[in-house]
Amino acid sequence: QVQLVESGGGVVQPGGSLILSCATSGFTFNSYGMHWVRQTPGKGLEWVAFLSYDETNKYYADSVKGRFTISRDNSKKTLYLQMNSLRPEDTALYYCAKDLYTNAWAVPCDYWGQGTLVTVSS
Amino acid sequence: DIQMTQSPSTLSASVGDRVTITCRASQSISSWLAWYQQKPGKAPNLLIYKASSLKSGVPSRFSGSGSGTEFTLTINSLQPDDFATYYCQPYTGYPLTFGQGTKVEI
Repeated sequence: QVQLVESGGGVVQPGGSLILSCATSGFTFNSYGMHWVRQTPGKGLEWVAFLSYDETNKYYADSVKGRFTISRDNSKKTLYLQMNSLRPEDTALYYCAKDLYTNAWAVPCDYWGQGTLVTVSS
Repeated sequence: DIQMTQSPSTLSASVGDRVTITCRASQSISSWLAWYQQKPGKAPNLLIYKASSLKSGVPSRFSGSGSGTEFTLTINSLQPDDFATYYCQPYTGYPLTFGQGTKVEI
């Protein structure tokens, strides 16, 4: 049974940093690309970042480029999001999500975690 | 970046209704479109990919159609469990985007 469990969210001041983690189980983690997607309370979905299964391809939304870094530890089956220079507009529920296909480049996400809430406020 | 225009933003319907949601892409995306359902307090759930392929386990009352720039999600015989928000997502490349969402309510 596929499981994705995010952690690391919390309240942080503007300009601060946070590291999110996504622990996974139930699938061959090192064969799937992984994503971070965020959702502002009561609003729509915003894709944040993608990291390919082999870490050769990494993409970011313009809104986070240069501030956020996606990474993974295939031995720990865990995905990370390092968030620096946080802004109030980064306040959101952050989901990690798994690619539908193995070894793919741009595909939908078939499993999502329940999210971890990041609040950027002074 | 590909922009998606999803309509309507809110849809009022009753149990048993046939419901149609539309997404229009700013440029052709062939059939590279997915549909998600999201219920309050829950993560999105993939329903359809490649415009019309139903994900395993998704009820057959859900169907998708379209190609190029215009796509449709249809729910036949709306069930109480279907009241939710639906999002379309093109996936031709990065950055990925989502439609604005359609809330299906009673």
